[in-house]
Amino acid sequence: DAKTTQPNSMESNEEEPVHLPCNHSTISGTDYIHWYRQLPSQGPEYVIHGLTSNVNNRMASLAIAEDRKSSTLILHRATLRDAAVYYCILRGTASKLTFGTGTRLQVTL
Amino acid sequence: DAGVTQSPTHLIKTRGQQVTLRCSPKSGHDTVSWYQQALGQGPQFIFQYYEEEERQRGNFPDRFSGHQFPNYSSELNVNALLLGDSALYLCASSRSPLVYEQYFGPGTRLTVT
Repeated sequence: DAKTTQPNSMESNEEEPVHLPCNHSTISGTDYIHWYRQLPSQGPEYVIHGLTSNVNNRMASLAIAEDRKSSTLILHRATLRDAAVYYCILRGTASKLTFGTGTRLQVTL
Repeated sequence: DAGVTQSPTHLIKTRGQQVTLRCSPKSGHDTVSWYQQALGQGPQFIFQYYEEEERQRGNFPDRFSGHQFPNYSSELNVNALLLGDSALYLCASSRSPLVYEQYFGPGTRLTVT
C-alpha cells in the first residue's frame, strides 16, 4: 500500500479555517485519496474522497495537487466539534482502508 | 435508522481464552470489515466479509477468524488470546465491497489480562 505522511498534530482557533496537509509521493494512478476522522471515543467517520479534481461536500473540501503527490483537507470554519484525529488514506482497487497515525487536530476558543 | 452497532462495549478476558465480538451493519449494507486499533495507533484492517465469505484479509494470524450471517451481521472470533490483543475492535459496513465509504461502529474495547 502506498504510504501517506501527515503532521502528528495541529492547532486551530475556533471559527478559523484549517488546512490539514498530506504527502503521498508514491501514489499510483488508480489510488483514491480518502479522509476519515475519529472523534474521541468514537469509530472513524468518512469525511471526503477524491481522485484528481478538487472536491467539496458539506463537511470539508479536498484540494489535490496537480501531480497528486500531496493533498490538503480544508475545514472552512473549525468548531470545537472538529477536534479529532484526521487520517489521510490512499485506497486502490482493494476496498480495505490502510490507516496511518493521522493528525490530531486541537481546536481552541 | 440505526447505524453500525457492536456488542459488547467492553470486555475483559484472560490470556489463552477465546472471545467473540458481534457487529450489526447499517441498514442496507451487506459488507462488513473488521479493524483492530491499539492505543495511540490508527485502525489496522483484519478482514472483510461479503456474501458470507471472507473476501480480503490483513496481516493477522489464523487465531483471528470471522463469520457473516445471512442477515449480514458478523462475528469476530479470537482464539488463544495474548496480552497484545488488547485493543479497540472496530466494525465497519458499506453498501457493497465496491463502495468506498465505510461506516464505523463505536467499537468493542477488549482488555486481556
